[in-house]
Amino acid sequence: ELKVEQNPLFLSMQEGKNYTIYCNYSTTSDRLYWYRQDPGKSLESLFVLLSNGAVKQEGRLMASLDTKARLSTLHITAAVHDLSATYFCAVAASSGSARQLTFGSGTQLTVLP
Amino acid sequence: DTGVSQDPRHKITKRGQNVTFRCDPISEHNRLYWYRQTLGQGPEFLTYFQNEAQLEKSRLLSDRFSAERPKGSFSTLEIQRTEQGDSAMYLCASSLWGFAETQYFGPGTRLLVL
Repeated sequence: ELKVEQNPLFLSMQEGKNYTIYCNYSTTSDRLYWYRQDPGKSLESLFVLLSNGAVKQEGRLMASLDTKARLSTLHITAAVHDLSATYFCAVAASSGSARQLTFGSGTQLTVLP
Repeated sequence: DTGVSQDPRHKITKRGQNVTFRCDPISEHNRLYWYRQTLGQGPEFLTYFQNEAQLEKSRLLSDRFSAERPKGSFSTLEIQRTEQGDSAMYLCASSLWGFAETQYFGPGTRLLVL
């Protein structure tokens, strides 16, 4: 059974600081997703990582994937308040297909002034 | 707005009643998924359709749950004889088969069973 673990689960950081969220998964997969969820809202797709060594960047967020270590990271650079949200990583159960996604428990990020 | 839509957005029901939720995917998407999310957790996969065929079902989907996608367009999720443990956010997502396939989520239906 595929398991996905994120850490930390809660993160408070000051504006302007950098931090990294980690996502470990238990079985082989070549497809990993990062989503953002604001309170009471649905999930917004941020990144899809499709191969070992993949790196994607959008604004202050950068995601990377190491399939050998079964590890993805979401790096936050110079955080701003607007980044406060819960971030989920999700791993596809079947190679070559999005199909069933297994989500981590999420990292609740709060950016303080 | 051409995103995934769900109806209703909120539903309060009494234990033992039946409820039905609807999901309208992005029009060109051939894949549709249902997930359930409880407070403080990530979404959990329930079931998946490719066009009108239901191809995967989670063990979470007990026999009180049924999902359909007639004609490969909208989908419905019905819960019969609701229980308090069914209280959750029910999320629908759709995707278009392809190399960089991404699931796009709807706003969800929040169910409260009293």
